[in-house]
Amino acid sequence: NAGVTQTPKFQVLKTGQSMTLQCAQDMNHNSMYWYRQDPGMGLRLIYYSASEGTTDKGEVPNGYNVSRLNKREFSLRLESAAPSQTSVYFCASTSPRAKSETQYFGPGTRLLVL
Amino acid sequence: GENVEQHPSTLSVQEGDSAVIKCTYSDSASNYFPWYKQELGKGPQLIIDIRSNVGEKKDQRIAVTLNKTAKHFSLHITETQPEDSAVYFCAASPPGTASKLTFGTGTRLQVTL
Repeated sequence: NAGVTQTPKFQVLKTGQSMTLQCAQDMNHNSMYWYRQDPGMGLRLIYYSASEGTTDKGEVPNGYNVSRLNKREFSLRLESAAPSQTSVYFCASTSPRAKSETQYFGPGTRLLVL
Repeated sequence: GENVEQHPSTLSVQEGDSAVIKCTYSDSASNYFPWYKQELGKGPQLIIDIRSNVGEKKDQRIAVTLNKTAKHFSLHITETQPEDSAVYFCAASPPGTASKLTFGTGTRLQVTL
């Protein structure tokens, strides 16, 4: 199993450009999450999908949109990138019905907005 | 919503010494408390977790303690080794929130020889 995979690994954007961050998991998990990580601020939840077909806002959703394409895939879209969105983005997944609620994280996407 | 505070932000210990990282949470309904280790350039990885019906849990050199009354929990690493050097995050999750986690701000642990 590859676990949680994210593409791309690195991206440089100019202000105003758009892009989609891709995430996929092969663990048959129901729930998926997008976090951003900034120095000194830990990980903050952007959006999550409790199950296929549902999405909800997290702590910092402004400037982002998400799509739960199917059970495996959960994408994050920046419609008009801003320098404040420079960050490292992590996708995670879990299966709340399992005994463990462990969230498994992908390797991250490092985004620089100029 | 839940708020998690984590201290210290940096911690330097000598190899073989113990390290303790402390977290407090605000939502008394939170019932799941994981600890994640993040190595440079990688995603966070779970190292240990505890539920609110347990006061302590151990796994070899790491242990977590939970004080529900005071709403704080701690990570203890004994006999530290250089490979323990990383950033550690605590988190809390209230029930019925689709396993959403609120993270602390992280502790950078440096184990020196």
